[in-house]
Amino acid sequence: DTEVTQTPKHLVMGMTNKKSLKCEQHMGHRAMYWYKQKAKKPPELMFVYSYEKLSINESVPSRFSPECPNSSLLNLHLHALQPEDSALYLCASSQEAGTIDYGYTFGSGTRLTVV
Amino acid sequence: GNSVTQMEGPVTLSEEAFLTINCTYTATGYPSLFWYVQYPGEGLQLLLKATKADDKGSNKGFEATYRKETTSFHLEKGSVQVSDSAVYFCALSDRGNQFYFGTGTSLTVIP
Repeated sequence: DTEVTQTPKHLVMGMTNKKSLKCEQHMGHRAMYWYKQKAKKPPELMFVYSYEKLSINESVPSRFSPECPNSSLLNLHLHALQPEDSALYLCASSQEAGTIDYGYTFGSGTRLTVV
Repeated sequence: GNSVTQMEGPVTLSEEAFLTINCTYTATGYPSLFWYVQYPGEGLQLLLKATKADDKGSNKGFEATYRKETTSFHLEKGSVQVSDSAVYFCALSDRGNQFYFGTGTSLTVIP
């Protein structure tokens, strides 16, 4: 299995809703990442997990809450989002956080619309 | 600091034309360099990579050579197809925890 699987593919939520994005990989990668991508822009790093521990939080607002229940799963819990949070949310993984010579493997993303 | 500069798009080419997308970088140390491709509505896919100076990465007819003297990693393809229409991102890693992406170059290939 050489994929990163993200669910759901599309999500529409209201500003008072609570929802979660899910990411799963079975490649034995020990680093997992959340990125946010706005239209016609490069991905922006949000969070890095290394060996299931949060190692980087790029000053992301607390309405985004990451969770890494085990080495294969990464969640992003969403609460009280704003319309400007609408974007493509990408999950990625790599063998180790400090040795990414082989590059990331990205999921297909969740397209989030906040109404 | 680390950064990547890509040529501005969009780029429109006819099928079978030659493609060059320029990428230059600024980095401390010895970064690894990558090209990622994003097809419409999808995530990013690794297209090719090079981990040291003078390495050439290649995949699906695309090539890029890691040039330390010019701090460049230009993407080339001899004959593009309609199916190559996508956004291409140049990126570097400094062996830390993240990538540094360029702004992306949109390519449209017309029949």
